[in-house]
Amino acid sequence: DTEVTQTPKHLVMGMTNKKSLKCEQHMGHRAMYWYKQKAKKPPELMFVYSYEKLSINESVPSRFSPECPNSSLLNLHLHALQPEDSALYLCASSQVGLTGYTFGSGTRLTVV
Amino acid sequence: DAKTTQPNSMESNEEEPVHLPCNHSTISGTDYIHWYRQLPSQGPEYVIHGLTSNVNNRMASLAIAEDRKSSTLILHRATLRDAAVYYCIRQNSGGSNYKLTFGKGTLLTVNP
Repeated sequence: DTEVTQTPKHLVMGMTNKKSLKCEQHMGHRAMYWYKQKAKKPPELMFVYSYEKLSINESVPSRFSPECPNSSLLNLHLHALQPEDSALYLCASSQVGLTGYTFGSGTRLTVV
Repeated sequence: DAKTTQPNSMESNEEEPVHLPCNHSTISGTDYIHWYRQLPSQGPEYVIHGLTSNVNNRMASLAIAEDRKSSTLILHRATLRDAAVYYCIRQNSGGSNYKLTFGKGTLLTVNP
């Protein structure tokens, strides 16, 4: 299995809702990442997990809460989002170190 | 701060070689150069990476200048499926943070 699987592919949520994005990989990668991508812009790094521990938080607002329950799973919990948070949310994984990343296809989130 | 400079866009014809340039004049001695591409409505896809020597794989070749201040991604025979945004990225090897920070990328158009 050489894929990163993200669910759901599309999500529409209200500003008072709580939802979660899920990311899964079975490549034995011990580093996992969340990126946010607005239309026509490059992906922006949000969080990095290394060996299931949060190692980088790029000053992301607390309404985004990441979780890494085990080495194969990465979640992003969403609460009280704003319409400007609408974007494509990408998950990636890699071996720890200077190596290539494998990205999922993303979850397209719309906040209404 | 992505610290790489790429042309905003380039055009190529199908079945012709494509040379995508990237400047990274402030690169440090231990930073790797990565190339990713992103097709419409998909997550980024790893293409190739290298440190000092030229690198080849089934997708492309990476030519790194001797002073490492620039590099060129070479697609040997462009196909319509190669139309994408190509990102040149320095992977920071400082400490244990191996994060990838995307710049604006080059939009490659392939003409039939």
